[in-house]
Amino acid sequence: GDSVTQMEGPVTLSEEAFLTINCTYTATGYPSLFWYVQYPGEGLQLLLKATKADDKGSNKGFEATYRKETTSFHLEKGSVQVSDSAVYFCALSKYGNKLVFGAGTILRVKS
Amino acid sequence: NAGVTQTPKFQVLKTGQSMTLQCAQDMNHEYMSWYRQDPGMGLRLIHYSVGAGITDQGEVPNGYNVSRSTTEDFPLRLLSAAPSQTSVYFCASSYEGLNNYGYTFGSGTRLTVV
Repeated sequence: GDSVTQMEGPVTLSEEAFLTINCTYTATGYPSLFWYVQYPGEGLQLLLKATKADDKGSNKGFEATYRKETTSFHLEKGSVQVSDSAVYFCALSKYGNKLVFGAGTILRVKS
Repeated sequence: NAGVTQTPKFQVLKTGQSMTLQCAQDMNHEYMSWYRQDPGMGLRLIHYSVGAGITDQGEVPNGYNVSRSTTEDFPLRLLSAAPSQTSVYFCASSYEGLNNYGYTFGSGTRLTVV
């Protein structure tokens, strides 16, 4: 079946460091890809999405490019802030509205 | 605009008890779903609904029941609680096809079964 694999965390960075969180997927066909963010004590929020190969999703300084040849959707940010500390989930959707999530990656940013 | 509202926020149950987790949305979304979040496993789909009167099973439906009598409400029932159902439960809703907004999630219900 379809699946999403994320790099294990926690990832700990200093403020202004470069962030990469790896995400790869297994799916037949052409899924849409998403990154969601969960701040402490809250539900998930959509961070960015891409619906076809080579699309780049971007929001709040975060970016991810849909790479079909490597089945990847890595999340990047050039300069992280303490306020970016959260859990980040990669997800895919192929049919209708059902999302398949990765296990999540905890990001901790130190000042 | 309240978005997706889940109640209660916290609940402790004894094994064998039943309860209903409430979920309501005021965005006129057709699609609603329930996920459970467990450490190291991400979110797993329990049940979903594509509209009033229509529900279907997700990845982990056993021990849970749902109904969708209105567009706004999508309650999740635990029939006979078990310790394996200790988890954080999220309700989510969206327009059909997820469009550019994806899901709107509730803030979650943390359930402990003892």
